[in-house]
Amino acid sequence: DAGVTQSPTHLIKTRGQQVTLRCSPKSGHDTVSWYQQALGQGPQFIFQYYEEEERQRGNFPDRFSGHQYPNYSSELNVNALLLGDSALYLCASSLLGQGGGRTNEKLFFGSGTQLSVL
Amino acid sequence: AQSVTQLGSHVSVSEGALVLLRCNYSSSVPPYLFWYVQYPNQGLQLLLKYTSAATLVKGINGFEAEFKKSETSFHLTKPSAHMSDAAEYFCAVSGGASGGSYIPTFGRGTSLIVHP
Repeated sequence: DAGVTQSPTHLIKTRGQQVTLRCSPKSGHDTVSWYQQALGQGPQFIFQYYEEEERQRGNFPDRFSGHQYPNYSSELNVNALLLGDSALYLCASSLLGQGGGRTNEKLFFGSGTQLSVL
Repeated sequence: AQSVTQLGSHVSVSEGALVLLRCNYSSSVPPYLFWYVQYPNQGLQLLLKYTSAATLVKGINGFEAEFKKSETSFHLTKPSAHMSDAAEYFCAVSGGASGGSYIPTFGRGTSLIVHP
């Protein structure tokens, strides 16, 4: 049973460029959350996707956008990259079920994509 | 709003010694609380969770945590440290079934260093 997979594992971009990160959730999960983890910090919530819609959003600018596909996989897009966007980007999947439950009692995390902006 | 504070960015113990990682939370509703572990170059893995049942929660790898409402704390302990426990540990809080945001908010993490 494959867990959460993210690609690529590492990425180097320059300021102003755009980047797309990809995530495949754990088998049987329907919800994907994205987190940004800066060096020495805890993960910061970017947004969550459920039923192909953005369900919740953290305090991140519109340069950060996402998408969820019918197979539950997800993409995170970041436009106009800034040096401060350099971080580990983590994808986490969970199962909310029909109707969308309230709780995220157990998140399964991928190993992340390390993004470096030069 | 909900938040957690992890006291001490680094904790150093000897192999076989008690591990104590501190976490205090703030929440306007009865919280759900979590501890996650992150090994180098890996994602986070759930160690244990408190969801308003028993206040003493046992997790994987011999870790446990006790929910103390009066102290707004959820400290993580392990009686005897192993070298393999060396990692980054994150405390997290979310709203539960009673309300509040169900999106977990993470602390800044505590790095556990285990000396032989």
